[in-house]
Amino acid sequence: KAGVTQTPRYLIKTRGQQVTLSCSPISGHRSVSWYQQTPGQGLQFLFEYFSETQRNKGNFPGRFSGRQFSNSRSEMNVSTLELGDSALYLCASSPDRGSDTQYFGPGTRLTVL
Amino acid sequence: QKEVEQDPGPLSVPEGAIVSLNCTYSNSAFQYFMWYRQYSRKGPELLMYTYSSGNKEDGRFTAQVDKSSKYISLFIRDSQPSDSATYLCAMTAPLNTDKLIFGTGTRLQVFP
Repeated sequence: KAGVTQTPRYLIKTRGQQVTLSCSPISGHRSVSWYQQTPGQGLQFLFEYFSETQRNKGNFPGRFSGRQFSNSRSEMNVSTLELGDSALYLCASSPDRGSDTQYFGPGTRLTVL
Repeated sequence: QKEVEQDPGPLSVPEGAIVSLNCTYSNSAFQYFMWYRQYSRKGPELLMYTYSSGNKEDGRFTAQVDKSSKYISLFIRDSQPSDSATYLCAMTAPLNTDKLIFGTGTRLQVFP
C-alpha cells in the first residue's frame, strides 16, 4: 500500500505571496492532519480534517487554512506569506478519527524569501 | 513552559551501546504515548505506541511509561549506525487523539 504523498516536495516563495500544498493520504484513510516543523518550535499541530470538515485546529493565524475533498485528499493554503512561515509542512493520515496512530508523509519544504 | 519537554541532544554513542531517550510532560490528560524516528529530509516514522504505564518491547526498542512521574523513555539496545536520526516523543489525550503534541526531538548519532 502506498504511503502518504505530498506535493510539491520543495517550494520557494517570496513574502506576501500565497501557497497551496497538497496531501494524498494512505488509501482508505479518512482523517488527515497537518503539522508545521521548524528548528525552534519543533512539530506543531495545524489542523485536522475528516469527512471534508475541519475537526480540530491548532494555534495558528487565519492565514493558514485547509480543506479536504471527498476522496480524502487534502490541501493547505498559506496566504500573505511571512519569513517565519519557512518550515517543513507535514501531512499525516489515519484510518479514522480517534485512531491510535498517524502516518506521516515526507513533507513539503517551504522557503519564504 | 512547553507541555512536552525533550532534551535536544545531540547524543553521540558508539555502535552497540544502549541508548536512553526521555521526555517529560506536564498535562496529566495525556494517556497515549508514541515514539517517532525521523531521518534527515524525511517525515517521522512511527516506532512505538503505548497507552499504559510499564514497558513495551519491540525488537531492540523498549518504550517505558511512568504516568505517576509524567515521564516516558525509549531504550535502544545494540545501537547501530542506521539508528542515527532524530527521535521524537509524541502524546495525546482521550477525545483529542487526532492532535499529537510533540517533543522537540533528540538527535542521535551512532558512530561505528
